[in-house]
Amino acid sequence: DAGVIQSPRHEVTEMGQEVTLRCKPISGHNSLFWYRQTMMRGLELLIYFNNNVPIDDSGMPEDRFSAKMPNASFSTLKIQPSEPRDSAVYFCASSPGLPEHEQYFGPGTRLTVT
Amino acid sequence: DAKTTQPTSMDCAEGRAANLPCNHSTISGNEYVYWYRQIHSQGPQYIIHGLKNNETNEMASLIITEDRKSSTLILPHATLRDTAVYYCIVKSGGGSNYKLTFGKGTLLTVNP
Repeated sequence: DAGVIQSPRHEVTEMGQEVTLRCKPISGHNSLFWYRQTMMRGLELLIYFNNNVPIDDSGMPEDRFSAKMPNASFSTLKIQPSEPRDSAVYFCASSPGLPEHEQYFGPGTRLTVT
Repeated sequence: DAKTTQPTSMDCAEGRAANLPCNHSTISGNEYVYWYRQIHSQGPQYIIHGLKNNETNEMASLIITEDRKSSTLILPHATLRDTAVYYCIVKSGGGSNYKLTFGKGTLLTVNP
C-alpha cells in the first residue's frame, strides 16, 4: 500500500489567493483527518470525516477554511482567501475507523503564504 | 482524556535500548495508551498502543505498569533513524473519541 498520499508537497502562494490541498487516504480506511502543525501551536486537528461525512469541524480556524470528501478515496482542504498566518504544514491522516484504531499520516503539505 | 507527562529530551547510544517513560496518573479504565513519533520533516508515525497488557510489535515494546499510571516505550536496538520526537497519548476508545491530542513529546537523539 502506498500509504496516505498528499499533494502538493510544497505550496507557495501570495496572500489573498485560493489554496487547495489534496489527500488520498489508504484504501479501505473510512476515517479521514486534517491536521495543521506550526511551531507555536503544535499539531492541531482541523476536521474529521467518517464515511465521507464531516463529523467534527470545530478545529477549522474560520470560514476561510473548508474541507470536502466527495468519495472514499479523495479529500480536499481549501483556504480562500489565504493569509500569511495560514503558513504551516498540513497533514492528512486516515484510519480504519474503530475509535481505538491508529491513524496513519501522510507526508504533509508545507504551505507558505507571502 | 488523561494528561500525559514526558521528559523533554533523552539521548541514547546507537545499538542500545531506548526506554522512553510516560506518566499518565489520571488515566481511566477505558483509556488506551498510544505512542507516535515524528521524524524531522515527516508526518507522525504510529508505533504501538495498549490498554492493560504489555504489547510488542516489529517496531517497539510497550510496558504498562499494573496500576496503569505510567508506561515505557522500548526501542530494543536504537538506530540513528530512530532520532525523532516521541509522543505518548492517552485516549479513550469510545465512539466519539477519535481525537489524538499531541503534546510536546520527548525528543530522542540517538548518537553514534
